[in-house]
Amino acid sequence: AQKVTQAQTEISVVEKEDVTLDCVYETRDTTYYLFWYKQPPSGELVFLIRRNSFDEQNEISGRYSWNFQKSTSSFNFTITASQVVDSAVYFCALSGATDSWGKLQFGAGTQVVVTP
Amino acid sequence: GAGVSQSPSNKVTEKGKDVELRCDPISGHTALYWYRQSLGQGLEFLIYFQGNSAPDKSGLPSDRFSAERTGGSVSTLTIQRTQQEDSAVYLCASSPPDRVAQYFGPGTRLLVL
Repeated sequence: AQKVTQAQTEISVVEKEDVTLDCVYETRDTTYYLFWYKQPPSGELVFLIRRNSFDEQNEISGRYSWNFQKSTSSFNFTITASQVVDSAVYFCALSGATDSWGKLQFGAGTQVVVTP
Repeated sequence: GAGVSQSPSNKVTEKGKDVELRCDPISGHTALYWYRQSLGQGLEFLIYFQGNSAPDKSGLPSDRFSAERTGGSVSTLTIQRTQQEDSAVYLCASSPPDRVAQYFGPGTRLLVL
């Protein structure tokens, strides 16, 4: 069975602080995909990134960066110099590579609150 | 381009009534997915359609739930004899042929009284 754990329920920061969201996953698949989605107050889930299990390179996109460590089954997400617009719920998700690809297994989400 | 659209955006119904929720995927996307988001259960997979293959219905919570996809495009999720525990936001997503990611619509908020 697949499982995604986001242990942090809510993180509050002041603007310009960095914030790191933890994601730990469990899977028996040897090939799988990891995702991060953002859900702002408007409610629509916004795709941020996909990472393949065979690619452990870290990735940076603007103020966002992701650290994938297969050894610890973690796929953490850092927002650098946070802004008020980053306030949202962030979900980590996992899918298999074959017949289970279509079934995203989501974590419970982490609410990020950025205050001015 | 246009994203995934869902209708209605909100639906209030009485317990025992049937409801239909509609999803229009992004043009050119070949796969379509339904999820449910509720306070108690988080985000749950319901069903997905991939091309002409039989849909994966493994996430449907009961036989009161069904979905169809007509012409490989628009999909309808039907809930028969609604119960209060069906109250949730129903999210639809679609993905392109390379299946890089699932792109979500705004959802339908269903309230069963």
